Amino acid sequence: ETGVTQTPRHLVMGMTNKKSLKCEQHLGHNAMYWYKQSAKKPLELMFVYSLEERVENNSVPSRFSPECPNSSHLFLHLHTLQPEDSALYLCASSQDPPPSTDTQYFGPGTRLTVL
Amino acid sequence: AQKVTQAQTEISVVEKEDVTLDCVYETRDTTYYLFWYKQPPSGELVFLIRRNSFDEQNEISGRYSWNFQKSTSSFNFTITASQVVDSAVYFCALSEADQTGANNLFFGTGTRLTVIP
Repeated sequence: ETGVTQTPRHLVMGMTNKKSLKCEQHLGHNAMYWYKQSAKKPLELMFVYSLEERVENNSVPSRFSPECPNSSHLFLHLHTLQPEDSALYLCASSQDPPPSTDTQYFGPGTRLTVL
Repeated sequence: AQKVTQAQTEISVVEKEDVTLDCVYETRDTTYYLFWYKQPPSGELVFLIRRNSFDEQNEISGRYSWNFQKSTSSFNFTITASQVVDSAVYFCALSEADQTGANNLFFGTGTRLTVIP
């Protein structure tokens, strides 16, 4: 299943850099999600977009800025990150927008390291 | 409180052994869904199964089987005749139908399975 793709797969950045993560879903879904996966912690939901509108911002610091230009694409813009932001960032999509119990399909993730 | 508990942090088995991964959940909803995902070293979370709370039939898919027991709030996952390619982190998750917020998918902390050749 390569329905959800993410680029880049790996990213190393300094604390003063600006970078963007990209996610694209080829499943015709209406909702897209950003998750953060840190070691030894459950997956943390960061943002949810439903039909290109943000419906959830889970107390995420402003140094993370999402963008959803259309229902197939989702970006996560990063600036002035901290070393503790190093993690695997996963994108997902689902057919039904939240609130929904629909299955979420995940991309391969971007492994981010902040130096 | 943790809605999904995967008490086994790491499990190692020898190839061809059977292995069961435990998942216990907590919810007050009468309608909910349970999921299992597999995360191989590549990082992608691969969807394995979705079950609703009204269907307690056990499910089998090849070497995979799932045992849903509402009485004990458990949704355990068994791999029969394990193979090296089964080595991954496995996540159990719960989605509650009565939730009105956008954040209604709750993951456990995962069980790392290592299959030794």
